[in-house]
Amino acid sequence: GQNIDQPTEMTATEGAIVQINCTYQTSGFNGLFWYQQHAGEAPTFLSYNVLDGLEEKGRFSSFLSRSKGYSYLLLKELQMKDSASYLCAVRDHRRSGYSTLTFGKGTMLLVSP
Amino acid sequence: DAGVTQSPTHLIKTRGQQVTLRCSPKSGHDTVSWYQQALGQGPQFIFQYYEEEERQRGNFPDRFSGHQFPNYSSELNVNALLLGDSALYLCASSLRGQSTDTQYFGPGTRLTVL
Repeated sequence: GQNIDQPTEMTATEGAIVQINCTYQTSGFNGLFWYQQHAGEAPTFLSYNVLDGLEEKGRFSSFLSRSKGYSYLLLKELQMKDSASYLCAVRDHRRSGYSTLTFGKGTMLLVSP
Repeated sequence: DAGVTQSPTHLIKTRGQQVTLRCSPKSGHDTVSWYQQALGQGPQFIFQYYEEEERQRGNFPDRFSGHQFPNYSSELNVNALLLGDSALYLCASSLRGQSTDTQYFGPGTRLTVL
C-alpha cells in the first residue's frame, strides 16, 4: 500500500516564505504532484517532480528526493490568496500498465497580514 | 479550450436512493478518474476509465460503478446511498501516454445524503 504524510496545518505571514513537507512510502513510484485547493473548489495543479531535484515555477518551487521518500513545496513572497489546502499526491505505476494517484490529507496553510 | 466540467454542482439525496454524476474531460484528454473527497481529507481514488473500460479501481464497494462514453465523457453511479457517501465527488481527466500524465480536476459535485 501507500502512505503519504504531510502536516495538517501551517501558518505564515504575508511576504514570508513557507515550506510544506511531504513524506511517502510507495512501490512503483512514478512521480509526485502538488495541488492547491481553495475551500469548496477543485484542486488545481501546481507542480510535478519525477527526478530528484528542485523544480521552480514562479513563486512556487517543489523538491524531490526519491531515496528519502521526501518532497517539499516552497512558497515565496506569500500572499493572502495563498491561504488554501496544499495536497501532495504520489503516482505509482502498476503492472497493469495503468497508474493511480494517491493523495495525502492536505496541509491547510493560513496566511495572515 | 474547455476545462473539465461536471454536473450537477450540488445534489441532495436520501438514504437508499441512487445517484448519477457526470463529467466531461478537458479537450484532448482520453482518461477520466473519479475521486471522493470527504471534508478535511484528501481525495480518495474511486476508479479510472480509459477506452470505455474500467482500468483501475480503488477500495470502494460495488455500489460505486461507472461508465465512459465514446466521446470520453463519463458517469459515476452510486446505488443504495449511505449517509457516509456525503462528500465532494471530483472528476479528473488526463491524456494517457503523455510524459507527465497530469490530472486536471473539474469543479466537483457536492453530494449530501440525508
